[in-house]
Amino acid sequence: NAGVTQTPKFQVLKTGQSMTLQCAQDMNHEYMSWYRQDPGMGLRLIHYSVGAGITDQGEVPNGYNVSRSTTEDFPLRLLSAAPSQTSVYFCASSYSSHLGGSYEQYFGPGTRLTVT
Amino acid sequence: KQEVTQIPAALSVPEGENLVLNCSFTDSAIYNLQWFRQDPGKGLTSLLLIQSSQREQTSGRLNASLDKSSGRSTLYIAASQPGDSATYLCAVKYGGSQGNLIFGKGTKLSVKP
Repeated sequence: NAGVTQTPKFQVLKTGQSMTLQCAQDMNHEYMSWYRQDPGMGLRLIHYSVGAGITDQGEVPNGYNVSRSTTEDFPLRLLSAAPSQTSVYFCASSYSSHLGGSYEQYFGPGTRLTVT
Repeated sequence: KQEVTQIPAALSVPEGENLVLNCSFTDSAIYNLQWFRQDPGKGLTSLLLIQSSQREQTSGRLNASLDKSSGRSTLYIAASQPGDSATYLCAVKYGGSQGNLIFGKGTKLSVKP
């Protein structure tokens, strides 16, 4: 199993550009989520999904869009990048139903995004 | 508001010492609690998961305990090694199996040879 994969590893954007951060998992996990990590702020939840076709907002959703068309993929879209979105972005997944196994959450390696 | 606090923010110990990292949470109605390790510039690696009905979990030199009534968890590391140097994060899940994790800001551990 590859676990949770994220692409790209690094990205530099100019203010106003848009892009999509990719996240995929091969563990058949229902739950997937996106976090951003900033110095002094810790990890903050952006958006999450409890299954294909279902998404919801986390603590800091503004400026980001998500969709979940398959169980495996959960892309994060930056609509119009701003310097405040400079951060490290992590994708995570876990089981979420009582039919699943452990509810341990697994994280991807992260995407380092700089917006100039 | 549900909050998770980790004290201290940083800790430096000599190699071989046993140590305890602390995590406290404001709402005792947790679903589970997870400890992670993060190396500089890397992602999060899960260390231990404790369900709300459990009191402790062990993996090798690591032991995590949970006391819901007092809103506390501890991560005990035995016989520390320089390779244990990393940031340790505590995260609490509320709202059942479909709930989200709330993270503490971490304890940065440095183990000196």
